Order: sequence, then C-alpha cells, then structure tokens
Amino acid sequence: DTGVSQNPRHKITKRGQNVTFRCDPISEHNRLYWYRQTLGQGPEFLTYFQNEAQLEKSRLLSDRFSAERPKGSFSTLEIQRTEQGDSAMYLCASSSDRQVQYFGPGTRLTVT
Amino acid sequence: GEDVEQSLFLSVREGDSSVINCTYTDSSSTYLYWYKQEPGAGLQLLTYIFSNMDMKQDQRLTVLLNKKDKHLSLRIADTQTGDSAIYFCAESIDTDKLIFGTGTRLQVFP
Repeated sequence: DTGVSQNPRHKITKRGQNVTFRCDPISEHNRLYWYRQTLGQGPEFLTYFQNEAQLEKSRLLSDRFSAERPKGSFSTLEIQRTEQGDSAMYLCASSSDRQVQYFGPGTRLTVT
Repeated sequence: GEDVEQSLFLSVREGDSSVINCTYTDSSSTYLYWYKQEPGAGLQLLTYIFSNMDMKQDQRLTVLLNKKDKHLSLRIADTQTGDSAIYFCAESIDTDKLIFGTGTRLQVFP
C-alpha cells in the first residue's frame, strides 16, 4: 500500500493555458475525490467518483473544469483556460468505504 | 446549512496538553474527523468519531463530541514540537463529501 499519489506536485502555468493533474488512488479503493484548497482555508469538495462514475459535482466546478476516471483506477482533473483565481492546492483522496478518506500530497497550481 | 468553525491559532509549551475546538452546524453529521496538515503537504488522518459516540481515545489523542452543542474537540497529550501543524476538523453528512473547517494552526514552543 503506497498511499495516494498525485502528479505533478507543482505546476506553474500562464493564464489561459490548459493544465491536467493526475491522481492514483490506493489500490482497490473504489471511491476517489477531488478537493481544492486555497491559502489559509480548509479543503473544499469539487467532485467524487465511485468506480468510473462521477456521482457528485460541486458548484465550484465550473465548465472549465473536467474530471475523469475512465477505468475506475486513476483520475485526471483538467482545467481549461486557467485564470489566476484557479491558483490553489488540488488534493485527491480515495476511500474503500464512506467512513475514511486518505489524501494524497496534492498538486500546487500557480497561474501567472 | 453546512458550516464548520475553528479558532485560527493555538500556542502551547512542549509537554503540555493541547485542546483544539471545532463547532459544526449540521446536526445530521454522521462522522466527524480530525486531519493534520504540515507545510506544503497533504492531509493526514489523525482520528475520527461516529456521531453516536461521546469520546474516542487513541494513544495521545482524545476526541470529545458534544452533539447537543455541536462541539468537537481534539486533545493532544504531552504535545511535542513535531505536533506543530494545522489541524482541520471535518464532518460528513449523508453524502461522501467532507466539509472542512478553516483549520487551527498549532505552534509548540520549547
């Protein structure tokens, strides 16, 4: 059990560019979550998958954001036409039940 | 509505006990959690409690839940410098998403 991994750990991009982040959950965890954390705040829920099905999306997830989990294993989060307000830490978590979510180290996005 | 509140900062001397407090508004919370975050890192689960419990102890950690007042606390016994971090309280309701507080920064001084 190697834990939840996220890549890249840091991403600097220019406003208007597209970025994609990857999350590899703990093996055999069927639930996968994305959260966003801005400086000085707690994480905020973005979206959630059970296997390959995306079951819930937050209002925070504008149409520039898309998440996929095509084979029910790893997941990607893409942000199109990035804005400075997208600068944040993007956290992924996985779970085998509804009780406990295990978080990865996060991807820190800086939009210049 | 869903809202979780925490005090922003706590400073304690090494060896003393720390008590971090949290209040939540949704009485239908099923589980309540404490996570620890060190600078630049992800969240580490410390402990969690089911809403029908009053207390849970795990080594140096004691969680107390007062459902009537919607108050959750985390007590760390014999606080060490390695305990310096931000501590987040979180609740889950009927859905799978977690609702987090803004975090309490714990500073431990020698």
